[in-house]
Amino acid sequence: GENVEQHPSTLSVQEGDSAVIKCTYSDSASNYFPWYKQELGKRPQLIIDIRSNVGEKKDQRIAVTLNKTAKHFSLHITETQPEDSAVYFCAARNSGYSTLTFGKGTMLLVSP
Amino acid sequence: EAGVAQSPRYKIIEKRQSVAFWCNPISGHATLYWYQQILGQGPKLLIQFQNNGVVDDSQLPKDRFSAERLKGVDSTLKIQPAKLEDSAVYLCASSSGRGLTEAFFGQGTRLTVV
Repeated sequence: GENVEQHPSTLSVQEGDSAVIKCTYSDSASNYFPWYKQELGKRPQLIIDIRSNVGEKKDQRIAVTLNKTAKHFSLHITETQPEDSAVYFCAARNSGYSTLTFGKGTMLLVSP
Repeated sequence: EAGVAQSPRYKIIEKRQSVAFWCNPISGHATLYWYQQILGQGPKLLIQFQNNGVVDDSQLPKDRFSAERLKGVDSTLKIQPAKLEDSAVYLCASSSGRGLTEAFFGQGTRLTVV
């Protein structure tokens, strides 16, 4: 089955800095890569996703890049704000019916 | 649209007792997932349903966990008997199952086994 590795496990940045979280996956058939944000005590919520037919996707301060050859994808947050502080999870799956496998998460702390 | 509903929100039980969780997915969503999230870790899939059939239950501890999705809508997850290490948040999620689409999560049930 799919295995998703995520790094780093914690990331501390100053407000206004950029943050990058990286994930690798094992199943070359995977073609859908969502990123979820989970605030303390709340449900995971999708913030951005990318499909394998594109290499990059951007939504305001958030961008995701995908390298299918190397089987890794990354989340980039620019101009970080304290409200970006949360745990971020990457995930991967290879079809609409297949399992969605998550990484272990990255705790992002943005200091004012 | 209404989100994924789960109940109860919190449950405290003693070890060796049984417990059941309920999930109502978003209307029309064919795929339903149950995840276990231990504090500080990512969600771990327990079981995935496609309508009322099981797609993946390879990580479900079948000696104590069971799940069903009768009629392909609501689902229940049961633990019997519970162990201390079952303390976690149990998240239900659903997706349309058509193409590569978002999975929506419920608020989860926080289980504490004492």
